[in-house]
Amino acid sequence: RKEVEQDPGPFNVPEGATVAFNCTYSNSASQSFFWYRQDCRKEPKLLMSVYSSGNEDGRFTAQLNRASQYISLLIRDSKLSDSATYLCALYTSNSNSGYALNFGKGTSLLVTP
Amino acid sequence: DTGVSQDPRHKITKRGQNVTFRCDPISEHNRLYWYRQTLGQGPEFLTYFQNEAQLEKSRLLSDRFSAERPKGSFSTLEIQRTEQGDSAMYLCASSLNVELDFGPGTRLTVT
Repeated sequence: RKEVEQDPGPFNVPEGATVAFNCTYSNSASQSFFWYRQDCRKEPKLLMSVYSSGNEDGRFTAQLNRASQYISLLIRDSKLSDSATYLCALYTSNSNSGYALNFGKGTSLLVTP
Repeated sequence: DTGVSQDPRHKITKRGQNVTFRCDPISEHNRLYWYRQTLGQGPEFLTYFQNEAQLEKSRLLSDRFSAERPKGSFSTLEIQRTEQGDSAMYLCASSLNVELDFGPGTRLTVT
């Protein structure tokens, strides 16, 4: 089983809609969790970290469910500019790879007018 | 320092040739990572440096791949005897802690 799994989508939603993505992980030792955004043919950029208590940044809300081993990203009032691929990433402390993150394949979001 | 930079941004090479990519991390970051990304996939970890020491290599990094970070600043990734399967985006990232900052990547096409 792959360590980080995401539904690749695409998710096609109209402007103004609310959309949510989940990401499941298999290693219970995973400690830190992130959502990255990647535009077509560009590098990933950190969108937000995911804290145990859940956190919000404007229209974006991230949640962590350790018992079920998944994280989620909720986008409210979708904008056309939200169209991108959203990558889930996690850090596992028992790896030897420094702070290297393990990424999912990403979920593609297309917001339409 | 405006971020991680990579050079070249694009490279087209013929199968069997050697290629070398360069990454300049954010200056105060002591950790540097190389990732590879192919279409429809997330970035896959290749190798990691803390200062000048290469501390981890993925099994994805075959013997044809070598990376260096000679003075703990910039890093190079060399691929010898390139194969068509090496075609990908090669991403460099740097960090002080867990949050990685990525460079724009080098897109390699092997013909």
